[in-house]
Amino acid sequence: NAGVTQTPKFQVLKTGQSMTLQCAQDMNHNSMYWYRQDPGMGLRLIYYSASEGTTDKGEVPNGYNVSRLNKREFSLRLESAAPSQTSVYFCASSRQSTNEKLFFGSGTQLSVL
Amino acid sequence: QKEVEQDPGPLSVPEGAIVSLNCTYSNSAFQYFMWYRQYSRKGPELLMYTYSSGNKEDGRFTAQVDKSSKYISLFIRDSQPSDSATYLCAMVGITGANNLFFGTGTRLTVIP
Repeated sequence: NAGVTQTPKFQVLKTGQSMTLQCAQDMNHNSMYWYRQDPGMGLRLIYYSASEGTTDKGEVPNGYNVSRLNKREFSLRLESAAPSQTSVYFCASSRQSTNEKLFFGSGTQLSVL
Repeated sequence: QKEVEQDPGPLSVPEGAIVSLNCTYSNSAFQYFMWYRQYSRKGPELLMYTYSSGNKEDGRFTAQVDKSSKYISLFIRDSQPSDSATYLCAMVGITGANNLFFGTGTRLTVIP
């Protein structure tokens, strides 16, 4: 049982490049989330999907787009990467959007030069 | 002022010590309180989940909530080297993970 799987684990981009972070969960959860974690800032919500077919902005959505491809998969896209987007990105899922018990993936460490 | 304040540490203790980790918060609407444990280069994992004030115990771990003081604590008894990790507090008022507020985490090292 893999839980929440994120790819890639590491990525280095140049300013202006684009990339997509992939996330998949095998727990049949309805809700999925993208967070970024920065030193001294804690975890901040970028976007979330309460259920298949819906997406909503979180605290720090600027510069990102998301796609809820199906119930299992939720991707995060950086269209034009900036150094300020250097961070560790975590995907998470929960049974329902009203359930705060999150299951996290192992993260993607992204550096934008 | 941040919604949730957490001392970043780092905190180093000898094996077998009792560890106390704490968070303070400003929003009196918070009702659900969580502690996540995060090992190096891993995602957070839910450790403790409590509702409103009081204590909850799970093995060597005890979560304590004092809503009157807006203060929550996690106690670890008989600490082990495997407890070395960063501990994040999290809390929410209106139920829903999109309304979760996280602390910045306290890094704990248990020395054998």
